[in-house]
Amino acid sequence: KQEVTQIPAALSVPEGENLVLNCSFTDSAIYNLQWFRQDPGKGLTSLLLIQSSQREQTSGRLNASLDKSSGRSTLYIAASQPGDSATYLCAASSGGYNKLIFGAGTRLAVHP
Amino acid sequence: GAGVSQTPSNKVTEKGKYVELRCDPISGHTALYWYRQSLGQGPEFLIYFQGTGAADDSGLPNDRFFAVRPEGSVSTLKIQRTERGDSAVYLCASSLSASETQYFGPGTRLLVL
Repeated sequence: KQEVTQIPAALSVPEGENLVLNCSFTDSAIYNLQWFRQDPGKGLTSLLLIQSSQREQTSGRLNASLDKSSGRSTLYIAASQPGDSATYLCAASSGGYNKLIFGAGTRLAVHP
Repeated sequence: GAGVSQTPSNKVTEKGKYVELRCDPISGHTALYWYRQSLGQGPEFLIYFQGTGAADDSGLPNDRFFAVRPEGSVSTLKIQRTERGDSAVYLCASSLSASETQYFGPGTRLLVL
């Protein structure tokens, strides 16, 4: 059974810092891995999707890496801004139809 | 274009009542998913539709929960004899195909008193 863990549970940083959010999964036979952002009281916004055959994906200040053999993914945020404050969720797909297994998230606060 | 929409945005009901939650996916998306999110947790998979059929309903917690998608577009999640433990945010997502990015709706916040 796939289990996804995210560390740290919460993070508070000053504006401008580069930071790394960690995600680990127990079953390396994933189909893909997605990172989402969730603002309080809102739905999820997809940030990056990494297919199992890929090692990383980049979008703007975000870079996500995937290491299936070690069961890990990281989300790197460069030059953090207060607008980046949100909960970041990682989800590993289970099965060929993209059934997502989520971690509990990392709550990020970027203060001016 | 329009994203995934869910109605109602909030639902308050009494224990034992029946509720229906609606999801309108992005037009043309064949895959549709329901998830449930409790406070402080990540979403938990409930059911996946490919077209009109439920391809995987292994996440439904018990037989009080049922979902349909009769025409391969709009889906309804139905909960019978609601219990206080059913209180959560119910999220719907759709994707163009089963292997692509899922786009989530804003969710329905269900509170069972």
